[in-house]
Amino acid sequence: GAGVSQSPRYKVAKRGQDVALRCDPISGHVSLFWYQQALGQGPEFLTYFQNEAQLDKSGLPSDRFFAERPEGSVSTLKIQRTQQEDSAVYLCASSSGLRVLVMKETQYFGPGTRLLVL
Amino acid sequence: EDKVVQSPLSLVVHEGDTVTLNCSYEVTNFRSLLWYKQEKKAPTFLFMLTSSGIEKKSGRLSSILDKKELFSILNITATQTGDSAVYLCAVPMDSNYQLIWGAGTKLIIKP
Repeated sequence: GAGVSQSPRYKVAKRGQDVALRCDPISGHVSLFWYQQALGQGPEFLTYFQNEAQLDKSGLPSDRFFAERPEGSVSTLKIQRTQQEDSAVYLCASSSGLRVLVMKETQYFGPGTRLLVL
Repeated sequence: EDKVVQSPLSLVVHEGDTVTLNCSYEVTNFRSLLWYKQEKKAPTFLFMLTSSGIEKKSGRLSSILDKKELFSILNITATQTGDSAVYLCAVPMDSNYQLIWGAGTKLIIKP
């Protein structure tokens, strides 16, 4: 595909419901990032994958958040037992570079998923 | 603690005006600073700056870095309504991939 795609674009969940957010990175991109962006704030790092390996999950706010990238391409961010404070835009980005070179590579962002927890 | 601070948080100008957006940072082992434009949802890459004093330019946009004073500016000349967006500044942490983001400057260009 031409760019990073994410689905769904919008998700409304009742408090306590589980949600799954999907990210399709640019084909061949090694690095994949998930960010959480609250209204009026910059993106906050959640987790980083290099191929199928989750190298850093230090930004995940609680153990209700889980991310996977089993085949090194598509990634899913799952939030269990959603809370109102989980309401945010969830951005996925991919980059062609390997870890040591990644900051010389542009991160390409998807359109994000806006999650609203009622 | 590493941080990135942008100012102003919001700015409203008229079409044709020139604007200057600021980004200051405190990061261990600074390597680069990135500017992104965010319309609706997806941030799009504008510039990566690594060296002081060297202006990066793309059309009406330009940016420069001052590593001594720990800040960068993004200039937009002859603004157009299509420049209306949130402009984000980010700096990589020591991890080499994790970015610290500023809160952004919301720029509104009035016709």
